[in-house]
Amino acid sequence: EPEVTQTPSHQVTQMGQEVILRCVPISNHLYFYWYRQILGQKVEFLVSFYNNEISEKSEIFDDQFSVERPDGSNFTLKIRSTKLEDSAMYFCASVATSNPGELFFGEGSRLTVL
Amino acid sequence: GESVGLHLPTLSVQEGDNSIINCAYSNSASDYFIWYKQESGKGPQFIIDIRSNMDKRQGQRVTVLLNKTVKHLSLQIAATQPGDSAVYFCAENHTGNMLTFGGGTRLMVKP
Repeated sequence: EPEVTQTPSHQVTQMGQEVILRCVPISNHLYFYWYRQILGQKVEFLVSFYNNEISEKSEIFDDQFSVERPDGSNFTLKIRSTKLEDSAMYFCASVATSNPGELFFGEGSRLTVL
Repeated sequence: GESVGLHLPTLSVQEGDNSIINCAYSNSASDYFIWYKQESGKGPQFIIDIRSNMDKRQGQRVTVLLNKTVKHLSLQIAATQPGDSAVYFCAENHTGNMLTFGGGTRLMVKP
């Protein structure tokens, strides 16, 4: 069964450092998302991406965040200067159609900022 | 403000019993609702969805009920099994691609 894969599974970084989280969406999917989940809290929308551009972003997704699809398979989330409050599980998701509900989520990348 | 929330953080049921997980939403413009299951260490997994022009939708062992009058959504799991143990989230979409998730209910199935 096709799946969304994410790397790394866990990253520990110092405050102020740049972090890049990588995702390989399902190959025939066209819509890509990043969500995050702070420990014990709700899953929160960060950004959606379609046709090589951001289609929607939340208030969390400020100018410290960026996304990129550098080639035909990878979808990355970059945090330029990490803060303590960026510590969370970051989930990549993809979907074949514009239906935002039937997302396929990856297993997540846990980011710990010290 | 707009929110999607859950009534109970933990639900414990006996194996074989039916489970009912509830969710309240406050945005009357919401027109699409989804239930996700999240097992430990994994990402959310789509279970079932419902649009606001429906009151009920059934899947395999799961039923979602939508009461737009009181802005309430429920997930019913029939004959709950140990493999159903997980955190269940409701999510809502009313515009664009963004989903707003509720806080999650942990379902624990006792053998």
